[in-house]
Amino acid sequence: KAGVTQTPRYLIKTRGQQVTLSCSPISGHRSVSWYQQTPGQGLQFLFEYFSETQRNKGNFPGRFSGRQFSNSRSEMNVSTLELGDSALYLCASSLLTSGSYEQYFGPGTRLTVT
Amino acid sequence: GENVEQHPSTLSVQEGDSAVIKCTYSDSASNYFPWYKQELGKRPQLIIDIRSNVGEKKDQRIAVTLNKTAKHFSLHITETQPEDSAVYFCAASRKDDMRFGAGTRLTVKP
Repeated sequence: KAGVTQTPRYLIKTRGQQVTLSCSPISGHRSVSWYQQTPGQGLQFLFEYFSETQRNKGNFPGRFSGRQFSNSRSEMNVSTLELGDSALYLCASSLLTSGSYEQYFGPGTRLTVT
Repeated sequence: GENVEQHPSTLSVQEGDSAVIKCTYSDSASNYFPWYKQELGKRPQLIIDIRSNVGEKKDQRIAVTLNKTAKHFSLHITETQPEDSAVYFCAASRKDDMRFGAGTRLTVKP
């Protein structure tokens, strides 16, 4: 079974630009969640999508948005980039069954804003 | 909003010893508490989780305990091995949010 994939793996943007990151979940997983990881703020939850609907949202400004497609692939978008948006953006796909919960992270997209 | 505090920030143990990492949370509505392990340069892995209707859960050498009244939960690793060396994150989640602890860097010395 293929793992979670994220594209691109590395990205350099300048302040004021916008960026779109993509995440393909494990086949059969309908939930995709996004996280931001920085040395200063640690791991922070951005949002979660399930069956094309945003189910949960963390405490991030409206510049951060996302969506999920019918094939469960998800994208997140950051508009009007700021220097502080430089981070590793991780997505994770998950599956909840009656007996267990499994969650797997992708390798991340490292975004640098200059 | 939810606030999760994690202690200690660094922990060094001898191989074979036990390691305990503790987290406290503030929002009594939190009902799901996962723990993640992140090795250097790698992605986080979910290693164990516990829901608020359970007090303890064990999986081989790792266990998690939850005290809902005191709003704290702990990760216990027994018989530590060098490959347990990593940063461990706790998290507390409620219906609409998830907050992470700042992480504990565990070093297991051979």
